[in-house]
Amino acid sequence: EEQLVESGGGLVQPGGSLRLSCVASGFTFSSYEMHWVRQAPGKGLEWVSYMSSSGSIIYYADSVKGRFTISRDNAKNSLYLQMNSLRAEDTAVYYCARLVGVSWAFDYWGQGTLVTVSS
Amino acid sequence: QTVVTQEPSLTVSPGGTVTLTCASTTGAVTSGYYPNWFQQKPGQAPRALIYSTTSKHSWTPARFSGSLLGGKAALTLSGVQPEDEAEYYCLLYYGAYWVFGGGTKLTVL
Repeated sequence: EEQLVESGGGLVQPGGSLRLSCVASGFTFSSYEMHWVRQAPGKGLEWVSYMSSSGSIIYYADSVKGRFTISRDNAKNSLYLQMNSLRAEDTAVYYCARLVGVSWAFDYWGQGTLVTVSS
Repeated sequence: QTVVTQEPSLTVSPGGTVTLTCASTTGAVTSGYYPNWFQQKPGQAPRALIYSTTSKHSWTPARFSGSLLGGKAALTLSGVQPEDEAEYYCLLYYGAYWVFGGGTKLTVL
């Protein structure tokens, strides 16, 4: 059974850093492109970042460009999001999601991890 | 700035049919935007329903269908069930980024 499990969320002060992890199981992680998506409390979904299966292609939303870094370790079946210079508006539940590249289908999502940026 | 627009809210009676739409400020939505649709219930992660405009995942109920309608992506629910009450999001692909619609809150009443 395909599964994605995020971790690493928590409370951090403005200007601080946090690293999120997403561990995949039940499928060949190295064959799939991956995304991070976030959802602020009571708000809609916002796409954050994309990484190709090999890690050679990366995209970011303008709202996080220059502050967030996506990465992956295919040997560990893991996707990461390094978040620096955090702001109050980065407060959200962060989800990782799998993309099936041929059809551009988002299919499996993790349960999310909450990041709260507050002093 | 690219904006994807959905109806903020819709109400449908049980057993009825409702169509949700997804428009882009860049112009008509085509299959090249690879529209995806998601359902989200309170406290849960989003669940994928439709990809590539019309394709269903193995778990997508038959009453859900996707299409292009009048320059927009569309999600139609036929024979609506009480458990379909949820927030629905569309997602469009723009080549180097993706944009979610603001969501449609569907009430089954």
